[in-house]
Amino acid sequence: DQQVKQNSPSLSVQEGRISILNCDYTNSMFDYFLWYKKYPAEGPTFLISISSIKDKNEDGRFTVFLNKSAKHLSLHIVPSQPGDSAVYFCAASAGNQFYFGTGTSLTVIP
Amino acid sequence: DAGVTQSPTHLIKTRGQQVTLRCSPISGHKSVSWYQQVLGQGPQFIFQYYEKEERGRGNFPDRFSARQFPNYSSELNVNALLLGDSALYLCASSPTIQFTDTQYFGPGTRLTVL
Repeated sequence: DQQVKQNSPSLSVQEGRISILNCDYTNSMFDYFLWYKKYPAEGPTFLISISSIKDKNEDGRFTVFLNKSAKHLSLHIVPSQPGDSAVYFCAASAGNQFYFGTGTSLTVIP
Repeated sequence: DAGVTQSPTHLIKTRGQQVTLRCSPISGHKSVSWYQQVLGQGPQFIFQYYEKEERGRGNFPDRFSARQFPNYSSELNVNALLLGDSALYLCASSPTIQFTDTQYFGPGTRLTVL
C-alpha cells in the first residue's frame, strides 16, 4: 500500500536549468510534507518541508508546491547544479505515522 | 557535534537467525525512529520511540521489535530472519516526538540475509 508515490524513477537536467520533481499521495490525513535528499552510502538529509495549510514554501534554490485538491506536491530546484545529483524522496506524516515515496534519481549534467 | 551513529555498518546473517542493530542519536534528541529501505524502494517506517516508549509502529510483523534506553540510544531486533529482511536499516533522531521536527538520519546498517 504505497501512500506516497514518485512516478518518475529518474530525471536528467542540464546545469543551470530547472529541475522539477513530482510526488503524489493518497491519504488526505497527511498534514506535513517533506523532501529529503540522499547520496550513496549516506542517510537521507532534510531539504525542505511544507505544512498542509500552505501551498508554497521557498528556501534559496528550492521551492516546494502543494496542491491539496490534486494530492500532489512538487520540488523545484532553480538553478540546478551538478552537486544536486542525488536521489530525492518526498515524505509525508500523519500523527505517529511517516511515509516515504519511492525516490527519484536526479542527474544534473554539467 | 556528532551526528546519528549506527552499528554495525554491514552484517551478514542466515535465514532463521536473529539480529540486533544499534543506534545512537544526536545529543539532546529524545526521539529515535527506525526505517527499512529495500533496494530500489523508499525507506519504510518501522518504529518511533520517544522517552523510552513506543509511540508509532509501521506495518511490520511482530518479528521486529525495538527498545530505547535511558540515554536515548536504541536497538532494533529482528527474529527469525527471512531473505526479504535484506535491506538497509536506517535510524533517525529528532528533538521531539513530532514528525514536523527535522529527522536526522544515520548512514544505516546494511543487512544481508543468506
